[in-house]
Amino acid sequence: GAVVSQHPSWVICKSGTSVKIECRSLDFQATTMFWYRQFPKQSLMLMATSNEGSKATYEQGVEKDKFLINHASLTLSTLTVTSAHPEDSSFYICSARVPSSYNEQFFGPGTRLTVL
Amino acid sequence: AQSVTQLDSQVPVFEEAPVELRCNYSSSVSVYLFWYVQYPNQGLQLLLKYLSGSTLVKGINGFEAEFNKSQTSFHLRKPSVHISDTAEYFCAVTRPTGGGNKLTFGTGTQLKVEL
Repeated sequence: GAVVSQHPSWVICKSGTSVKIECRSLDFQATTMFWYRQFPKQSLMLMATSNEGSKATYEQGVEKDKFLINHASLTLSTLTVTSAHPEDSSFYICSARVPSSYNEQFFGPGTRLTVL
Repeated sequence: AQSVTQLDSQVPVFEEAPVELRCNYSSSVSVYLFWYVQYPNQGLQLLLKYLSGSTLVKGINGFEAEFNKSQTSFHLRKPSVHISDTAEYFCAVTRPTGGGNKLTFGTGTQLKVEL
């Protein structure tokens, strides 16, 4: 089956630093990946759609200069949280769309970010 | 635009009892429907999906769901739950074409299976 990995699985950083999270599709090529944010006991909130070779499409209210997304290859998308603040602490999940006749997404295991 | 409503935020149930997790959707166009399960501190795993055809869909771990177009529902059921089914369950919808392939999620239902 389609496998998506994320690295790191958890990270703790100081306020003001930047953190990069990687999302990889391990056994398929993904032209489209998605980045979600999930607060405790809440649903997933789509942050942006990452398209290979082009700029990401951000959802309304998501700061593109703060959450930098790069999709440089067909198997890797990265999310960089710049100048992190404690309110950026959250669970970040990526997914990759499998090229098929329907829009199924396979999800990574998530990254827990804690900003001190 | 489409939306998903999961009315039950928590569902407690005893082991080996049946369970139904409710999901209603709203959309002006046809949709694909999904149920995902999330275990603590993990990503989402697909349980089952409805694309077209038979309205009764069977998934992994003994779960099934029935698509009801007239009631715009896609309720998830399992005839006999196990302790290991304790998790968060999310219903999601997407458009077959257009819409940027985005998934719209419900707010989730916490299933707690007790002995």
